[in-house]
Amino acid sequence: DIQMTQSPSSLSASVGDRVTITCRASQSISTYLNWYQQKPGKAPKLLIYAASSLQSGVPSRFSGSGSGTDFTLTISSLQPEDFTTYYCQQSYSTPPTFGQGTKVEIK
Amino acid sequence: QVQLVESGGGLVKPGGSLRLSCAASGFTFSDYYMSWIRQAPGKGLEWVSCISSSGTTIYYGDSVKGRFTISRDNAKNSLYLQMNSLRAEDTAVYYCARDSRNCHDYWGQGTLVTVSS
Repeated sequence: DIQMTQSPSSLSASVGDRVTITCRASQSISTYLNWYQQKPGKAPKLLIYAASSLQSGVPSRFSGSGSGTDFTLTISSLQPEDFTTYYCQQSYSTPPTFGQGTKVEIK
Repeated sequence: QVQLVESGGGLVKPGGSLRLSCAASGFTFSDYYMSWIRQAPGKGLEWVSCISSSGTTIYYGDSVKGRFTISRDNAKNSLYLQMNSLRAEDTAVYYCARDSRNCHDYWGQGTLVTVSS
């Protein structure tokens, strides 16, 4: 199975900050990388698919980049509703595997 | 709009069985692969199983292979997960999700399965 490692596991930031979350795959996955946002008690929500494509309805402050083994999710200007947990997922091979999550907290 | 509604969760003893259902609406169910994904309390996400649009292609995660069975009824716009030989480590919220463009683009609200004596 392909291992997905996110860093950091948690971070503290302020409203308006630019935030970057990194996801590393244990082998090359081309651009088969997705990002999800999950709020407490809610289902995950797709933000980015195919490494850099923004899901319909997702604010443009979210962006994704990368290919091969290294990927990033960037939030250009943190909003109050963005303080929550983010997961990356590879869909290059079965089983699709998730990173352990990154919790974005208020500083 | 796309809607996925899971049901069937609950408390079950170790070794017991449970059948989860996911009712889909707002899209042509028979056109899409579907998946089950679970999340143990306070933990991350774990993909469980997926099924092709026709039901002929099925995959399972190693942790549930041989114990869980995924199925679908396209006439009823429904997805199922039959869970047998349940263990404490199967305790989780189970989500159904629509698969599209190699991602899970819509998720249900989840149903909690608790395996405990």
